[in-house]
Amino acid sequence: QQQVKQSPQSLIVQKGGISIINCAYENTAFDYFPWYQQFPGKGPALLIAIRPDVSEKKEGRFTISFNKSAKQFSLHIMDSQPGDSATYFCAALQGGKLIFGQGTTLQVKP
Amino acid sequence: EPEVTQTPSHQVTQMGQEVILRCVPISNHLYFYWYRQILGQKVEFLVSFYNNEISEKSEIFDDQFSVERPDGSNFTLKIRSTKLEDSAMYFCASRAGEPPSYGYTFGSGTRLTVV
Repeated sequence: QQQVKQSPQSLIVQKGGISIINCAYENTAFDYFPWYQQFPGKGPALLIAIRPDVSEKKEGRFTISFNKSAKQFSLHIMDSQPGDSATYFCAALQGGKLIFGQGTTLQVKP
Repeated sequence: EPEVTQTPSHQVTQMGQEVILRCVPISNHLYFYWYRQILGQKVEFLVSFYNNEISEKSEIFDDQFSVERPDGSNFTLKIRSTKLEDSAMYFCASRAGEPPSYGYTFGSGTRLTVV
């Protein structure tokens, strides 16, 4: 019940395309859903986050869509750029503890 | 922008040896965490620390692990007798306070290699 399931494991997108990463959770006690971006050798960096009372949040090219009834949320990266190539983790927060998904390695081809 | 600083960036140790991983959280933060990431896997919660005591720990955080805030700035993770399977990236994180998400920031990690 503590798990967050993330898919796909890897994703290849052409420059300018849309990257979509999906996550699902079981525990309804989660109260905050962040997405982290991680470059090799670096720690996770917060990209964008959403609360469960909001269905969508957009920041620049990054959008989170949240479906509370389905217990699913997704990250959309519009106009994907080679600099977006990284590993992306969804996560869910409960009482200060983050539960991470398995990660998606995104490669944006020029 | 304030950072969480971790040292060393890479440590190699012999199996059975003790290691101490060090972290300097952001100065006004109150909650401190250690997470672990085995190569190619997801980031896993190890322990949370608040008000000079452990507030929660995972089943990974067994008796060989301990945490300490020895002074007003440092936060350390000690592994008493390292095993090969302890090889991983260890990330320190800190946050300011409520709401729970506020200021949640990760360091760049310490890569621990046990040989």
